[in-house]
Amino acid sequence: QVQLVQSGAEVKKPGASVKVSCKASGYTFTSFYMHWVRQAPGQGLEWMGIINPGGGTTNYAQKFQSRVTMTRDTSTSTVHMELSSLSSEDTAVYYCARGWGTYYYFDFWGQGTLVTISS
Amino acid sequence: EIVLTQSPGTLSLSPGERATLSCRASQSVSSTFLAWYQQKPGQAPRLLIYGASSRATGIPDRFSGSGSGTDFTLTISRLEPEDFAVYYCQLCGSSPFTFGQGTKLEIK
Repeated sequence: QVQLVQSGAEVKKPGASVKVSCKASGYTFTSFYMHWVRQAPGQGLEWMGIINPGGGTTNYAQKFQSRVTMTRDTSTSTVHMELSSLSSEDTAVYYCARGWGTYYYFDFWGQGTLVTISS
Repeated sequence: EIVLTQSPGTLSLSPGERATLSCRASQSVSSTFLAWYQQKPGQAPRLLIYGASSRATGIPDRFSGSGSGTDFTLTISRLEPEDFAVYYCQLCGSSPFTFGQGTKLEIK
């Protein structure tokens, strides 16, 4: 069965960086793109970007273009999302989600990783 | 960039009633790009509908999607207690994968 298991909660100081991991299992890792989405407390869903685990290519939302990096490790079937220059506005739950089909629908989601930015 | 606007913001209904949720795009989009998700408190979202009208695996047939152009609808024919949640529409297919702001479906 498809599973996406994310790394644990993080607390970071303003200006720092955070790296969140998402380990995939139950399917061929390189055959499906992976999205990253975040959700601030009490707010809606915000798409951050997408990575092709097969070739490593990425496409980031314009808002995050300058400070997000998505990578993958095919040996461990894991994708990573690193966000730099953190501020309190980056406090959120971060999700990975598999992109399925021709139009990359978000068919399986990780459990979410809470990132808290606090001085 | 296309903006998705969902209405109403909050919908108060009783179990057994019919729910109609709206998603309007700021310009015409292909129905193949439109998806709906359900999110319950403390949980990750779940894919309900893709391609505007196709149910995802395991989704009960009381959920249906329709629409074209700029206007799309998610209908829940008879509300069950577990259906009270927040619902998001989304554009897929290409960047940016925009979400609507959500509709909260609450028990009346």
